[in-house]
Amino acid sequence: DAKTTQPPSMDCAEGRAANLPCNHSTISGNEYVYWYRQIHSQGPQYIIHGLKNNETNEMASLIITEDRKSSTLILPHATLRDTAVYYCIVSAYNTDKLIFGTGTRLQVFP
Amino acid sequence: DTGVSQDPRHKITKRGQNVTFRCDPISEHNRLYWYRQTLGQGPEFLTYFQNEAQLEKSRLLSDRFSAERPKGSFSTLEIQRTEQGDSAMYLCASSLVSGFGYTFGSGTRLTVV
Repeated sequence: DAKTTQPPSMDCAEGRAANLPCNHSTISGNEYVYWYRQIHSQGPQYIIHGLKNNETNEMASLIITEDRKSSTLILPHATLRDTAVYYCIVSAYNTDKLIFGTGTRLQVFP
Repeated sequence: DTGVSQDPRHKITKRGQNVTFRCDPISEHNRLYWYRQTLGQGPEFLTYFQNEAQLEKSRLLSDRFSAERPKGSFSTLEIQRTEQGDSAMYLCASSLVSGFGYTFGSGTRLTVV
């Protein structure tokens, strides 16, 4: 599976947009980008996924560059409850083995 | 449905003892996964089931580890002759399809003393 690179930590003010970057320069044509997050003492939570088009759901937006070598997860109005570790994962659609890296620790402050 | 349930939430055991964890997935999910997470690291894949069949096992799953999913419902993960290096959070997840939409439980935290 392709590897991803994420900054180890980021801060964001409550109410502002949180933009979390992910580099995946070796992504293959059939590999998707998945985002999960893990709030302290809980299991990871699925957020969103995409192949090449931008995606939006009730939790977040996913922007994938045209060359697919990087992506950004956007939390449009961050709240304190969005403080968590965010994992960007690249994997084939039919995989049953998600490979988590160390993620980005997002701290939302008042 | 209240999601994926794991039991116990915490387990402290002495080195050399056997421990067993249970995972109850979301009822209509046919895929079930076990992951292990140590402090400061992301979850590491251990094994997964499609219905009752165990289809893949990580090399992390030594012969001291065994997982079962009888009748394709709940699953158990057993660790025999525990070692201090087994101390970790053991996470279970279930899904209907591969890759996305996994629902994770809150995990079982194992401490081997």
